[in-house]
Amino acid sequence: ETGVTQTPRHLVMGMTNKKSLKCEQHLGHNAMYWYKQSAKKPLELMFVYNFKEQTENNSVPSRFSPECPNSSHLFLHLHTLQPEDSALYLCASSLTAGREGYEQYFGPGTRLTVT
Amino acid sequence: AQSVTQLDSHVSVSEGTPVLLRCNYSSSYSPSLFWYVQHPNKGLQLLLKYTSAATLVKGINGFEAEFKKSETSFHLTKPSAHMSDAAEYFCVVSGGAGGTSYGKLTFGQGTILTVHP
Repeated sequence: ETGVTQTPRHLVMGMTNKKSLKCEQHLGHNAMYWYKQSAKKPLELMFVYNFKEQTENNSVPSRFSPECPNSSHLFLHLHTLQPEDSALYLCASSLTAGREGYEQYFGPGTRLTVT
Repeated sequence: AQSVTQLDSHVSVSEGTPVLLRCNYSSSYSPSLFWYVQHPNKGLQLLLKYTSAATLVKGINGFEAEFKKSETSFHLTKPSAHMSDAAEYFCVVSGGAGGTSYGKLTFGQGTILTVHP
């Protein structure tokens, strides 16, 4: 595997379910990110982890719970979601966070549908 | 605070004709600027980046962009469009040192490029 991978690619869940999204980067980076991409809206940064420490939570509802066990893996745990949470969830990584010029590399995303 | 405005939500060109996707930015400090491309059902791929070196930046797939500080613009161009260029393009700014947006990426709304045969 190369680059940034995300599983699953598609997920349909009910509002009372609990599920998790997984992201893995094979680039030797130290920063990882979760973004939400909804139709007709700009990409929204959700969380930032730098060297396994959360450095940013962009006012994300608590029904989204991130976990970063090491610099290569990032999870997003989901519970009691709302239909408006349906979106494409993108994971990204960069060499470190908080430094200009460090481009982010994105995974293919998980298309989440909440019914 | 930093922001980025993509001036066209949709651009349509014929195959073989030039492409121009326009982007204006606002940043209190010397920013880094990027263009990303997203094909349907795919993640974002980095096309090119500007980080205060040469103002004309060459990227992948024949794209290039010119940083114009006086106009606060970073327009993306390609001399000849190919069918495979049809995708959504995002202009992105990352705040420079000293600002509260240091290192954070701010994405534009995106421009959908359609290429006609």
